Amino acid sequence: SQTIHQWPATLVQPVGSPLSLECTVEGTSNPNLYWYRQAAGRGLQLLFYSVGIGQISSEVPQNLSASRPQDRQFILSSKKLLLSDSGFYLCAWSGQGTSTDTQYFGPGTRLTVL
Amino acid sequence: AQSVTQLDSHVSVSEGTPVLLRCNYSSSYSPSLFWYVQHPNKGLQLLLKYTSAATLVKGINGFEAEFKKSETSFHLTKPSAHMSDAAEYFCVVSELGGGSYIPTFGRGTSLIVHP
Repeated sequence: SQTIHQWPATLVQPVGSPLSLECTVEGTSNPNLYWYRQAAGRGLQLLFYSVGIGQISSEVPQNLSASRPQDRQFILSSKKLLLSDSGFYLCAWSGQGTSTDTQYFGPGTRLTVL
Repeated sequence: AQSVTQLDSHVSVSEGTPVLLRCNYSSSYSPSLFWYVQHPNKGLQLLLKYTSAATLVKGINGFEAEFKKSETSFHLTKPSAHMSDAAEYFCVVSELGGGSYIPTFGRGTSLIVHP
C-alpha cells in the first residue's frame, strides 16, 4: 500500500530564516506531487505541483519554491520566511493518467513564523 | 473553468440526527467530485469519490453523496451523526487539464456535533 510522509510535524521559525519541508511517498512510482498551504480558518491553497523529477509548476507567486530531486521526494523551501508564511502545509500525491484525479494527503506540517 | 461552493461555513447538529453538507460545483466537462474530511491538525482523508459510474456514492464512516447534474450539486449526507464526525469537510471538483487533473477545493464546512 502507498504511504506519504511529511516532516517535520511542527516547526517554529523566526522571520527571515530559511525553510525546508520534506515530503516522501512510498509504494508507488511516478506520482504527481502537490504542496498546499492552509491558513488558519481557511481552505486549501495549491502552491506547487509536479508531474515528474525536476518538473515544477507554480500556482501562486511568492517567496516559496519547490524541488523534486527524486521521483518520490518533494521539497518546499524558502530563503527568508515571512510572517504570512505561517500555516499548515500539506503534501499530496496522485497516480498517473486516469488515476490522477484522486489525491491522497500527508499528515501535514504546522509552521509558525515569529 | 471549474469552481466549487460549499454553501455553509458551519453546520451544527445533535448526535444521532441527520447530517447534510451542501456543495454546488461548476465545470466545463464531466468532472470528478470528492469529499474529504479533516480532523484538527491532521491531513485530509478521502471520504468518497464520484466519477460517473453511479449518481449515489457511498463512502466511509456511513457517509454518502448524490450527484445531481441538473442542480450541479454534490451534497454529503449521513443518517445519524456521531461525536467523532465533528471535523472540517471539503468538497472538491477536478477536471483534466494539461494532461493532469487539477483540483479546486471548496472553502470547507465545519461540522459541529452536540451531545
